[in-house]
Amino acid sequence: GAVVSQHPSWVICKSGTSVKIECRSLDFQATTMFWYRQFPKQSLMLMATSNEGSKATYEQGVEKDKFLINHASLTLSTLTVTSAHPEDSSFYICSAPGLAGELDEQFFGPGTRLTVL
Amino acid sequence: DAKTTQPPSMDCAEGRAANLPCNHSTISGNEYVYWYRQIHSQGPQYIIHGLKNNETNEMASLIITEDRKSSTLILPHATLRDTAVYYCIVHASNFGNEKLTFGTGTRLTIIP
Repeated sequence: GAVVSQHPSWVICKSGTSVKIECRSLDFQATTMFWYRQFPKQSLMLMATSNEGSKATYEQGVEKDKFLINHASLTLSTLTVTSAHPEDSSFYICSAPGLAGELDEQFFGPGTRLTVL
Repeated sequence: DAKTTQPPSMDCAEGRAANLPCNHSTISGNEYVYWYRQIHSQGPQYIIHGLKNNETNEMASLIITEDRKSSTLILPHATLRDTAVYYCIVHASNFGNEKLTFGTGTRLTIIP
């Protein structure tokens, strides 16, 4: 099946710094990617939809100026957490639909665990 | 998308069939039932989906009731690697390029 990778797999940063997380579709193109956040013992919450060549669509309550999304190519979307604070510590997961949405499943990355000190 | 209700946790003995129920009483005619699972500290993995007919693949079987208000995911011979959180999602599309709404899921523990 299709593979989605994320980098880094984990990151620790100081409060106030910015962190960039990459999501790549390794063997297929993805015009759309999704970014989720998952706090401990909770479910995945969709943050935003990343659209190649256009602005991301953010879910209600997600600050677009804090969580910057760039989808500059058909295989790469990045999420930058700006001025990170301890409450941003979470597990960030991206997903991409297979074959530009023609397949009926989404492929998820392995996740990035962010810890803000 | 319709709301789903799943038991928070279940145990199953290794080698036995694991039957995971899901209620979706408000499902509408064009909504599909999807199942994903998430092993600890990994991204979710697609398992199976269906509209109204029962479905089977190499991972699992999906049984949907005739009125479509509930379904059961069956793992025929559970192994320790099947320990995970299983999410039942009702989704108005069979295309993958639309966002998914995850509920709280069922934490399945396979007992040796």
